[in-house]
Amino acid sequence: DIQMTQSPSSLSASVGDRVTITCRASQGIRNDLGWYQQKPGKAPKRLIYAASSLQSGVPSRFSGSGSGTEFTLTINSLQPEDFATYYCLQHNSYPRTFGQGTKVEIK
Amino acid sequence: EVQLLESGGGLVQPGGSLRLSCAASGFTFRYYAMSWVRQAPGKGLEWVSVMSGSGGQTYYVDSVKGRFTISRDNSKNTLYLQMNSLRAEDTAVYYCAKDREWLAEIDYWGQGTLVTVSS
Repeated sequence: DIQMTQSPSSLSASVGDRVTITCRASQGIRNDLGWYQQKPGKAPKRLIYAASSLQSGVPSRFSGSGSGTEFTLTINSLQPEDFATYYCLQHNSYPRTFGQGTKVEIK
Repeated sequence: EVQLLESGGGLVQPGGSLRLSCAASGFTFRYYAMSWVRQAPGKGLEWVSVMSGSGGQTYYVDSVKGRFTISRDNSKNTLYLQMNSLRAEDTAVYYCAKDREWLAEIDYWGQGTLVTVSS
């Protein structure tokens, strides 16, 4: 099974900050990775697919990059509505695996 | 608009069974693989199972193999998860999810249904 190591597990940031979250795969997964945002009590929402493609309707301050084993989600100019937990998900092979999640909190 | 509506969650004793359902609308159900994902209280997301659009292919996470069975009725646009021999560690919100395509990412999620395994 492919293991996804996501870091950090949590971070504190201020409105306007730039935030970077990383996921590392235990083996190469090409660009078969998505990023999801989850707010408390809600279902996850897709932000990024194919590692770097922005889901329609998602603000352009979100961006994804990477290929192979290392991937990054960047949020430029953090907004109040961005405080949430973020997960990566590899879909290169089954079983699919999520990263452990990164909780973005207000500083 | 894609809609996924889960039902069937509740309280069940250890060793018991439960069947979850997911009613889908807003897309041609039979064309798409469908998944179940769960989230234990205060924990992260765990992918559980997937079934192809035709129903011919299925995969499970190791922790539920032999206990859970995914199925679908394309005539009713409904996905199911039969859960047997339930354990306390199966306690979670279970989400139904639509895959963009086979071996692709999840693009839509239901709102989830809570399963609590406790005596």
